Amino acid sequence: AQTVTQSQPEMSVQEAETVTLSCTYDTSESNYYLFWYKQPPSRQMILVIRQEAYKQQNATENRFSVNFQKAAKSFSLKISDSQLGDTAMYFCARETSGSRLTFGEGTQLTVNP
Amino acid sequence: DAGVIQSPRHEVTEMGQEVTLRCKPISGHDYLFWYRQTMMRGLELLIYFNNNVPIDDSGMPEDRFSAKMPNASFSTLKIQPSEPRDSAVYFCASSGGGHQPQHFGDGTRLSIL
Repeated sequence: AQTVTQSQPEMSVQEAETVTLSCTYDTSESNYYLFWYKQPPSRQMILVIRQEAYKQQNATENRFSVNFQKAAKSFSLKISDSQLGDTAMYFCARETSGSRLTFGEGTQLTVNP
Repeated sequence: DAGVIQSPRHEVTEMGQEVTLRCKPISGHDYLFWYRQTMMRGLELLIYFNNNVPIDDSGMPEDRFSAKMPNASFSTLKIQPSEPRDSAVYFCASSGGGHQPQHFGDGTRLSIL
């Protein structure tokens, strides 16, 4: 089975600090896309960032960036200058054939004041 | 632009009743996905459509579940008869394909008593 694994069920960070969420995946494809979504208590699923496996440059969106290690099949999310509004469940996802997404188990991030 | 619209937002019903969940995708999106989210199983893909045609329904748990997409702007997920174990949050998402991100609706929280 082609899986996505998030090994940290819960994490916490102090406001303004930096935190990194881990994700590993399995795939037999050479090109694919990876995503991070956040789900705040409102339960909306919100796209945070996207990475194409063919691109060596790590994706960045404002305070959010990824560390993509293709050989290691690792796709971690770094949040800089954490804000209270970043408190959410974060899901790593890999796109499979037919534009489907396979999600990890999620990491609950709490930002403390 | 309007996002993916799901209705109802909450549904509480008795075991054995028929439940119908509705979804309006983003205009122009060719792909529509139905997911179920539970604490035990996380986010699971139930079925997805491309150009209104069901492509993969292997995630549909059993014959009690059915989904239709009669046109490009509307889809339903029906459970008949419903059971308590169907209680979950059901998400609809749409995308333009071509590795574009999926955009999620706000979900329907379903409770079967």
